[in-house]
Amino acid sequence: DAGVIQSPRHEVTEMGQEVTLRCKPISGHDYLFWYRQTMMRGLELLIYFNNNVPIDDSGMPEDRFSAKMPNASFSTLKIQPSEPRDSAVYFCASTSFPGEAFFGQGTRLTVV
Amino acid sequence: AQSVAQPEDQVNVAEGNPLTVKCTYSVSGNPYLFWYVQYPNRGLQFLLKYITGDNLVKGSYGFEAEFNKSQTSFHLKKPSALVSDSALYFCAVRGRAAGNKLTFGGGTRVLVKP
Repeated sequence: DAGVIQSPRHEVTEMGQEVTLRCKPISGHDYLFWYRQTMMRGLELLIYFNNNVPIDDSGMPEDRFSAKMPNASFSTLKIQPSEPRDSAVYFCASTSFPGEAFFGQGTRLTVV
Repeated sequence: AQSVAQPEDQVNVAEGNPLTVKCTYSVSGNPYLFWYVQYPNRGLQFLLKYITGDNLVKGSYGFEAEFNKSQTSFHLKKPSALVSDSALYFCAVRGRAAGNKLTFGGGTRVLVKP
């Protein structure tokens, strides 16, 4: 397996634009997590799914953020409209319980 | 609610000396504990885990961790640190009571000086 694949690796966008981040988890994993990493707040859990169903989205900062998992091999995190304070590295990770999570390389988002 | 605390933002150690990175946790029920390492501009890499069994867990790159239930701790250790161990280290916990959520600590930056 190629591991968790995230795209794009880098995204630069203007304030107000819609941004979509993509994640392909490892085949067979039934949990998928989205995290955001910044210097100020560290690693924050945004939302996670179990068997494609959102379990806890309490970490999603505001209504501008949404996430979907239409099937077991694909998830998206959307920000609309984007703001400069959304600039961060966004990670996707997949796992089975109680095993370790495997992380993607992350998407570095810059909103100007 | 489950949580993880890493009390040290940074740990400095001389190359060849022992390295310890502290972690304490709070979780209902049996804890599943993990350590990850992150190098600059990279994702998190798994180092080791405690699921059940032996309290001393051995992992990648010579790292080990000791699970202490009474102190709710899971400290990461390496007997002899290398300059290449300089990185950001994260402790994490999962528990069934919290919906199998994976919760991370704030991270500890390790700097190994030659």
